[in-house]
Amino acid sequence: DAMVIQNPRYQVTQFGKPVTLSCSQTLNHNVMYWYQQKSSQAPKLLFHYYDKDFNNEADTPDNFQSRRPNTSFCFLDIRSPGLGDAAMYLCATSRGGPGKLSEQYFGPGTRLTVT
Amino acid sequence: DQQVKQNSPSLSVQEGRISILNCDYTNSMFDYFLWYKKYPAEGPTFLISISSIKDKNEDGRFTVFLNKSAKHLSLHIVPSQPGDSAVYFCAAIGDNFNKFYFGSGTKLNVKP
Repeated sequence: DAMVIQNPRYQVTQFGKPVTLSCSQTLNHNVMYWYQQKSSQAPKLLFHYYDKDFNNEADTPDNFQSRRPNTSFCFLDIRSPGLGDAAMYLCATSRGGPGKLSEQYFGPGTRLTVT
Repeated sequence: DQQVKQNSPSLSVQEGRISILNCDYTNSMFDYFLWYKKYPAEGPTFLISISSIKDKNEDGRFTVFLNKSAKHLSLHIVPSQPGDSAVYFCAAIGDNFNKFYFGSGTKLNVKP
């Protein structure tokens, strides 16, 4: 089945130790997104790629970086995780593009714990 | 500043009755609205959507109503089933079709 896959599902990292979360998709969608979601809050968009074009949200900390080496894969790098970065990280895709209203397809998320 | 708001964090309904989940937005430029459903340990899944040129869209037990003048939309589930118990997120898209704005979610509990 075509889908959005996130690995790992649970990640524990130490304060200040770099961590990478990964996302892959078999939908061949143009757009890939990374969201941060904390308990009882709306998913917060960190950034998205439209093909290779990177779009950073103005309030996304510099501590968060992303890479999209090809259509299928997208990575979220947290350079120096703090305790406040503990959250669920959701990857999503959509067909995207002007005039192409399309719902997003989400992965199951990666639960990040910072010790 | 949150542009999409779900002011009820939770809702409890008896099986067979109607569930009504509400969502308010502030940006009159939003063109398209969506509802997502999320079970624990899973990502949100798309449920139903509505374009700003319509005021109602129905899909089986699920109906979304849009009141543009009030900047309000609602999701009706009739009849509610225990399997509908989940967190429901409202989302909106503006002129940038790639950017989705989400509400904070409403946790629905349907009691048998």
